Amino acid sequence: SQQGEEDPQALSIQEGENATMNCSYKTSINNLQWYRQNSGRGLVHLILIRSNEREKHSGRLRVTLDTSKKSSSLLITASRAADTASYFCATPDGDAGGTSYGKLTFGQGTILTVHP
Amino acid sequence: EAGVAQSPRYKIIEKRQSVAFWCNPISGHATLYWYQQILGQGPKLLIQFQNNGVVDDSQLPKDRFSAERLKGVDSTLKIQPAKLEDSAVYLCASSPSGQGTYEQYFGPGTRLTVT
Repeated sequence: SQQGEEDPQALSIQEGENATMNCSYKTSINNLQWYRQNSGRGLVHLILIRSNEREKHSGRLRVTLDTSKKSSSLLITASRAADTASYFCATPDGDAGGTSYGKLTFGQGTILTVHP
Repeated sequence: EAGVAQSPRYKIIEKRQSVAFWCNPISGHATLYWYQQILGQGPKLLIQFQNNGVVDDSQLPKDRFSAERLKGVDSTLKIQPAKLEDSAVYLCASSPSGQGTYEQYFGPGTRLTVT
């Protein structure tokens, strides 16, 4: 099965700085998802990027996908204290997710701390 | 739109006891997932239902864990007997469709402590 591995394991920054997290995976995929988890709102879907996309934006989030390197990055710009959370990448199992009925494998996560 | 509901939110039991968790997915979502998340790790899929049928239970410890989704809506996950290593957060998620991959909507989870 696939597994995303996030890097770094932990990241500590000041408010207003940018935060970059990376994810590497092992086999071909047709999409990759990023989720955020904090104590207040639980695990929440942030963004999905498909294999034919190289970059995707959502508000202050920018996700890139490099299928040749089997890696993705999540950039949070102008971070806020409220961005403090764990961030996970998730990849679909099965034949690039086509018939997997949505099974996802999550990485270990990056713990982001944003200091006010 | 109401989110995924789970209960209880917290549960403390002794080893060898049994416990059950309940999940109500978002209305109309065909696919339901149960995950186990051990502290410091990402969620691990235990079982996946498509309507009321099991799609994947390859990582479910079937000697002690069981799950059902009657009528393709609510689901329960049971552990009997519990072991210390079952201490974790149990997350339920649902998604709107079948084949392919879509975003999953997670409930708040049940934090289980086995003493």
